[in-house]
Amino acid sequence: SAVISQKPSRDICQRGTSLTIQCQVDSQVTMMFWYRQQPGQSLTLIATANQGSEATYESGFVIDKFPISRPNLTFSTLTVSNMSPEDSSIYLCSVNSGGLRGPTGELFFGEGSRLTVL
Amino acid sequence: GENVEQHPSTLSVQEGDSAVIKCTYSDSASNYFPWYKQELGKRPQLIIDIRSNVGEKKDQRIAVTLNKTAKHFSLHITETQPEDSAVYFCAGAAGNKLTFGGGTRVLVKP
Repeated sequence: SAVISQKPSRDICQRGTSLTIQCQVDSQVTMMFWYRQQPGQSLTLIATANQGSEATYESGFVIDKFPISRPNLTFSTLTVSNMSPEDSSIYLCSVNSGGLRGPTGELFFGEGSRLTVL
Repeated sequence: GENVEQHPSTLSVQEGDSAVIKCTYSDSASNYFPWYKQELGKRPQLIIDIRSNVGEKKDQRIAVTLNKTAKHFSLHITETQPEDSAVYFCAGAAGNKLTFGGGTRVLVKP
């Protein structure tokens, strides 16, 4: 299993500002994933963070809005830029159970970062 | 890309009864189907998964069935208990990416 630490756990932000969420894993992993969970909704993949290359974004998500860093095999950040109330969500970092061997299936999730944009 | 549909969106059962949640998927290349349980304010956690080379898997009171031909899979919870109350998500994966269903809010009434 993997232990994932995310911070901040929650924050209240003003419209137009940006916030960076940090994700730290206790072991090296090839891929880290960022999900968004809007209130009462399911989990939607924002992007896959790859170490040493640019993140891969899903349809509907762009780098200018959600820039991602992946400086090493245990850490990633997601920035939510120029926030609006519609960005109020829980943002979850996750990693696959395969570690450096590559994905094997099970996703482990961080506790999430609950953002409220006023 | 993959599309996963989940039904019902809410499910209320009496304690001790069974609960069944059904999902369909669109991508025939999907080969891994996990189920996650999310309690209020908590992170999603894997409760059971199944790969496309098997049709059924069971773990105590939880079982999952998979019909590859029809592209649907189901979660069965028997002898439900109040602690089973949560939101359950199915998902499908082809390769590295998991696509989640819309979720089912399960309420077990004592």
